[in-house]
Amino acid sequence: AQSVTQPDIHITVSEGASLELRCNYSYGATPYLFWYVQSPGQGLQLLLKYFSGDTLVQGIKGFEAEFKRSQSSFNLRKPSVHWSDAAEYFCAVGEGQAGTALIFGKGTTLSVSS
Amino acid sequence: DTGVSQNPRHKITKRGQNVTFRCDPISEHNRLYWYRQTLGQGPEFLTYFQNEAQLEKSRLLSDRFSAERPKGSFSTLEIQRTEQGDSAMYLCASSSPGRQGKLFFGSGTQLSVL
Repeated sequence: AQSVTQPDIHITVSEGASLELRCNYSYGATPYLFWYVQSPGQGLQLLLKYFSGDTLVQGIKGFEAEFKRSQSSFNLRKPSVHWSDAAEYFCAVGEGQAGTALIFGKGTTLSVSS
Repeated sequence: DTGVSQNPRHKITKRGQNVTFRCDPISEHNRLYWYRQTLGQGPEFLTYFQNEAQLEKSRLLSDRFSAERPKGSFSTLEIQRTEQGDSAMYLCASSSPGRQGKLFFGSGTQLSVL
């Protein structure tokens, strides 16, 4: 069965510092991989996705993620964090018909200190 | 694009009662998904519609749960004989053809079963 692991429950980063959120997946074939962000009181929003091709994908709000098949990882990065980035981040892998049903990790809560 | 709308925002019910939630997806989106999220967990897939057809249903979904999308527009999720373990945030999402994985989520319905 497919699964997603986000090893870090909570991370605190200083404003302006770089960020990396870890995601490991388990899937037999080429996965569809996603990062979503959930801000307090708001719905989940897609940051970026990987289906195939270039393993470094760019997303919204200055985020990027790198797919590494050998490590079964899809880590999210941002070079300089802003206070507004404080939120919960979810990694997800697609399964089912053409990747329709997403399997989410438990999430990583990001706090930004000034 | 008015976004995905879910009603009610909050629902408190007594154990054993039936509850029904409604989701209005983005108008041109033919795919609609239901997820459930509990505290400290990522969203858990429940079921998926393409137009009015229910194409996938989680194997973990109790038969007390039923979902419909009668005209391929709005959807309802009904939980019969609620249990305390049903307490969660119920999320609806929609997507358009060719935009795999780009789900637009509503703000959810928070269910509390007393």
